[in-house]
Amino acid sequence: DAMVIQNPRYQVTQFGKPVTLSCSQTLNHNVMYWYQQKSSQAPKLLFHYYDKDFNNEADTPDNFQSRRPNTSFCFLDIRSPGLGDAAMYLCATSRDSEGGYDEQFFGPGTRLTVL
Amino acid sequence: AQSVTQLGSHVSVSEGALVLLRCNYSSSVPPYLFWYVQYPNQGLQLLLKYTSAATLVKGINGFEAEFKKSETSFHLTKPSAHMSDAAEYFCAVSVPTTSGTYKYIFGTGTRLKVLA
Repeated sequence: DAMVIQNPRYQVTQFGKPVTLSCSQTLNHNVMYWYQQKSSQAPKLLFHYYDKDFNNEADTPDNFQSRRPNTSFCFLDIRSPGLGDAAMYLCATSRDSEGGYDEQFFGPGTRLTVL
Repeated sequence: AQSVTQLGSHVSVSEGALVLLRCNYSSSVPPYLFWYVQYPNQGLQLLLKYTSAATLVKGINGFEAEFKKSETSFHLTKPSAHMSDAAEYFCAVSVPTTSGTYKYIFGTGTRLKVLA
């Protein structure tokens, strides 16, 4: 089945220790998104890629970076995690539709704990 | 600017009762609207979407939603709640970005509790 895969599902890191979360997709979608979701809140978009074109949200901290080496993979790097970065991180993909009517497909998420 | 508002952060219904989750949108152009469900420690799963083809949209798991332009609403309903419907529900509107793609603006979510 075509899908969005996130690894690991649970990640524990120490305060200030860099961490990388990974996302892969078999849908061959052009657009990939990274969201941060804190407890009992809606997902918050951090950035997205349209092919290799990177688009950062204005309020995304510099501490968050991303790489997309090819269509299938996308990585979220947190350079110096703080306690406030503990959250669920969701990856999603979408086709490049002209009208915005195509839905996003979400992965299962990676829950990040910062000690 | 386009936005969605979900009234009621928590909704409780009895098993077998009608489920009604409210979503109102604000948009100057015909919107594309989506409902997603999220179970604990999982990603979001699409329930249904409105893309202007039909005002009454049927989705998975017995859910449906009706687009009402006059009321700027897209409320989610299910005739009979099951225990397995207990989850968080998000309404979203698709908006264009400066890069030519689209992104979601989410509502704040509604947590549905189903009572036995």
